[in-house]
Amino acid sequence: SAVISQKPSRDICQRGTSLTIQCQVDSQVTMMFWYRQQPGQSLTLIATANQGSEATYESGFVIDKFPISRPNLTFSTLTVSNMSPEDSSIYLCSVVRYEGAFFGQGTRLTVV
Amino acid sequence: QKEVEQDPGPLSVPEGAIVSLNCTYSNSAFQYFMWYRQYSRKGPELLMYTYSSGNKEDGRFTAQVDKSSKYISLFIRDSQPSDSATYLCAMSANTGNQFYFGTGTSLTVIP
Repeated sequence: SAVISQKPSRDICQRGTSLTIQCQVDSQVTMMFWYRQQPGQSLTLIATANQGSEATYESGFVIDKFPISRPNLTFSTLTVSNMSPEDSSIYLCSVVRYEGAFFGQGTRLTVV
Repeated sequence: QKEVEQDPGPLSVPEGAIVSLNCTYSNSAFQYFMWYRQYSRKGPELLMYTYSSGNKEDGRFTAQVDKSSKYISLFIRDSQPSDSATYLCAMSANTGNQFYFGTGTSLTVIP
């Protein structure tokens, strides 16, 4: 398994502002994944964060909107930039082990 | 067509009932199949992990994979109110590849 600490657990933000979400893993991993979970929707992969290289973004997600940092093998941040109410969602970081994918507790973001 | 289809429910059962949760998928390359439980305001928690076809049992939980039908199931025996949560299926062609998730089934076990 994996222990993943994610913060903040929730936040309410004004539109037009940015929020940075932090994810700390208890052991070194090559790839960290960022997901979005909107109400009634499945988890949608935003991007894959590799240490030492640019993150790889999925279709519909761009670096200007969701910049990601990966300064070392145990830590990553996701920033939600220039937020609008449509960004209200749960954001999750994840790592993969042999026995499956493991998730942080999630960040519940509300944009007003 | 979505990669993974899952009935969102909601599903409501009395305590002690057997619960059956299901997902279908379209990609025959999927080999790794997982079930997650997600309580409100929490991240998904890995419940069961299976590789290829067959059954796997862990306590009150049994996961079944039928690759020929592209159909997976999770059975919960002697369901408890603490089992009330959203259950998500997930699958992948390779553990290093992207995981694909169902939308989740909301389950309520009534005391």
